[in-house]
Amino acid sequence: GAVVSQHPSWVICKSGTSVKIECRSLDFQATTMFWYRQFPKQSLMLMATSNEGSKATYEQGVEKDKFLINHASLTLSTLTVTSAHPEDSSFYICILPRTGGYGYTFGSGTRLTVV
Amino acid sequence: DQQVKQNSPSLSVQEGRISILNCDYTNSMFDYFLWYKKYPAEGPTFLISISSIKDKNEDGRFTVFLNKSAKHLSLHIVPSQPGDSAVYFCAASADSGAGSYQLTFGKGTKLSVIP
Repeated sequence: GAVVSQHPSWVICKSGTSVKIECRSLDFQATTMFWYRQFPKQSLMLMATSNEGSKATYEQGVEKDKFLINHASLTLSTLTVTSAHPEDSSFYICILPRTGGYGYTFGSGTRLTVV
Repeated sequence: DQQVKQNSPSLSVQEGRISILNCDYTNSMFDYFLWYKKYPAEGPTFLISISSIKDKNEDGRFTVFLNKSAKHLSLHIVPSQPGDSAVYFCAASADSGAGSYQLTFGKGTKLSVIP
């Protein structure tokens, strides 16, 4: 149980374009999803907390107008990187707290490269 | 301010021997900890977790030890196998893992198991 599907696994896009990353829980309902990113030789850093049916909560320094988060259902959250720049190139991953219990389920991550 | 620290960026161990990966934390509110590993070009894989009510949790070849007074946890892998070669991250949460508290991650330790 507790399966999370994250797509795409990797994407290359041109500067100025937008990229959408999906995180889908396949067998449980997720009212909360965390979006993290990781730059080389750095820790996974929390970008925002996605809450079903309400606005996402962004961490300090993360531009909410650039990183659009939509959590319209209990099984799907999307992160859209708008007007992507090369400095947005990173590893993005969703992490879901397991409902009714203990632990977290990880998405498989998305490697974004902006050229 | 890094609340979760993995001070060894890399570790090399002979096959069959014990691998010990260390992690220190500064936030005394953390009460749930986990380890996960990541192979290049793959998503992270959850390994093992421990709550602060325990000081040891074992799962096959993997054992996590928690020393709350020292704010230190370690992951022991025995016997180490070449397939264990990966980057290992520790993470901590100020929740028992059942709620919506985000995880705080270390930078990772790259383990190389030499055949």
